[in-house]
Amino acid sequence: RKEVEQDPGPFNVPEGATVAFNCTYSNSASQSFFWYRQDCRKEPKLLMSVYSSGNEDGRFTAQLNRASQYISLLIRDSKLSDSATYLCVVSAGSNYQLIWGAGTKLIIKP
Amino acid sequence: DGGITQSPKYLFRKEGQNVTLSCEQNLNHDAMYWYRQDPGQGLRLIYYSQIVNDFQKGDIAEGYSVSREKKESFPLTVTSAQKNPTAFYLCASSIDLGSMNTEAFFGQGTRLTVV
Repeated sequence: RKEVEQDPGPFNVPEGATVAFNCTYSNSASQSFFWYRQDCRKEPKLLMSVYSSGNEDGRFTAQLNRASQYISLLIRDSKLSDSATYLCVVSAGSNYQLIWGAGTKLIIKP
Repeated sequence: DGGITQSPKYLFRKEGQNVTLSCEQNLNHDAMYWYRQDPGQGLRLIYYSQIVNDFQKGDIAEGYSVSREKKESFPLTVTSAQKNPTAFYLCASSIDLGSMNTEAFFGQGTRLTVV
């Protein structure tokens, strides 16, 4: 089992719709969680950190479920510009090493 | 503007050659990382460094070498021992390695192709 697993997609979603995807992690001692966005052939950029209480940034909401060991990302009112690959990242261990998921590809259609 | 600069953006290597990828940051970050990304896969850690003159192997260090002589610089050499070097290489830095919620900042990447 991979340490961090994501559905690779692609998720094909019409503009304006709401889309959600999850990421599961295997290490119950994981301490920090992040969502990064990566555009085609570009570097990843931090979208948002995921806190235990959940957090929201505009149209984006991230949730953490420690009991079931997954994090989620919800995008409301999706825009064409949201098309990208979304990478889930988990840190664990004494040096908080980052473990990356393979990403979920999202395609927003007009 | 602060950031991380990788060069070159595209690199072609002949079989049997060593090549060095440059990574420079002016963010005053202690920790630096090299990742490899293959199509449809997540980032895999090659090497990381917490401080000058110190670095540690990541998950896929074989066939690679690094140095950290200056805080700002963390070059990666892809040696001829790396049998499948064609990939997208990403350099990143963070304030330090031992803190929670530490964001990683990335360079624009180097796309290496063996010809």
